[in-house]
Amino acid sequence: QVQLQESGPRLVKPSETLSLSCTVSGGSMTNNYWSWVRQSPGKGLEWIGYIYYTGRTNSNPSLKSRVTISLDTTKNQFSLKVRSVTAADTAMYYCAVVPAAHEGFDVWGQGTRVTVSS
Amino acid sequence: SYVLTQPPSVSMAPGQTATITCGGNKIGTKSVHWYQQKPGQAPVLVVYDDSDRPSGIPERFSGSNSGNTATLTIARVEAGDEADYYCQVWDRIPDHWVFGGGTTLTVL
Repeated sequence: QVQLQESGPRLVKPSETLSLSCTVSGGSMTNNYWSWVRQSPGKGLEWIGYIYYTGRTNSNPSLKSRVTISLDTTKNQFSLKVRSVTAADTAMYYCAVVPAAHEGFDVWGQGTRVTVSS
Repeated sequence: SYVLTQPPSVSMAPGQTATITCGGNKIGTKSVHWYQQKPGQAPVLVVYDDSDRPSGIPERFSGSNSGNTATLTIARVEAGDEADYYCQVWDRIPDHWVFGGGTTLTVL
């Protein structure tokens, strides 16, 4: 069973770039969609974007211009960058995996809380 | 973009059957997934592809999907079922995943 673990700075200053990584263990990075989901305090789940194992990406239109998702199979990691952050980007960030687009996210990381503040 | 609508809250006494709805335009043509999220924890997939259960999820959890409404049903509700529940679909065009706003299940 694949396991996921997020890592990265917990505090980011406004206007800077939020950078997170998700380390994959217990399985291959092929044939899966590797996704990021966030949850602002007291709010619901928001899909951020995905990277397919081929390198194809897509992201939520609300964030698209600020988001980059990349894959490093040599390190068994995929990463998220959100540029020009504001307080509205303060959230719990989860990485998750889904085997195919029409399927559910069956494995999640435990999440990492990121605060945007000066 | 595709919108999923859930009631903010549902309350049930232990032993009763809880139903949580997820509304969307022609949602019956899509595969709907349901997640349970307890405070301080990551979401857990409890129903996928409308009505299938991952291994380890009790049979008390079931799902259906038709027309403009998908439904998660939790039979014989227990205190441990108290959580937020989210529905989700994949919107093929434009290749996005969408979550509903979430429903808080309170066990009285």
